[in-house]
Amino acid sequence: DTEVTQTPKHLVMGMTNKKSLKCEQHMGHRAMYWYKQKAKKPPELMFVYSYEKLSINESVPSRFSPECPNSSLLNLHLHALQPEDSALYLCASSQETGGRGYFGPGTRLTVT
Amino acid sequence: ILNVEQSPQSLHVQEGDSTNFTCSFPSSNFYALHWYRWETAKSPEALFVMTLNGDEKKKGRISATLNTKEGYSYLYIKGSQPEDSATYLCAFMTSYGKLTFGQGTILTVHP
Repeated sequence: DTEVTQTPKHLVMGMTNKKSLKCEQHMGHRAMYWYKQKAKKPPELMFVYSYEKLSINESVPSRFSPECPNSSLLNLHLHALQPEDSALYLCASSQETGGRGYFGPGTRLTVT
Repeated sequence: ILNVEQSPQSLHVQEGDSTNFTCSFPSSNFYALHWYRWETAKSPEALFVMTLNGDEKKKGRISATLNTKEGYSYLYIKGSQPEDSATYLCAFMTSYGKLTFGQGTILTVHP
């Protein structure tokens, strides 16, 4: 199984809502990543987890809260988002930090 | 801020043409250089991970070279096919684990 799955595929939420994005992989990878991708721009790194510990936070606003409950799961909790947070959120994993990345299909988030 | 530049931004070629794109990146704190292929409505797919100066990697009709001292990598596609149409992204990985993507080169191969 070389797949990274993400749910939901699409999410529309209001600025006062709380929602979560989920990412899962069963390849035994020890590094997992969240990226944000706006239209016509490259993916921008948000967070890196290595061995279930947060190793990189790219100065992401606290309205985005990552969580790695176990080695296969990565969540991104969303609260009080702004319309400019609307984007494609990509999850990726790799064997170790820096290795070949396997990307999920992304969650298309719209904040109204 | 890490500058990872790709050129050209877009490229239109005819089926059968060979083509190449460039990725330039900082020469300090280098750990690895990744190339990804991203088709519309699909996930980015890793093509190569290159770590050593002078590395050359090949996968079918696609190959890549790496020069870490001068900070550039080339991706070559031989005999382009319509199914090669995609955005090709390079990404620079620092020694402390940060991956920064370039803007990508959009390749369109016309039958």
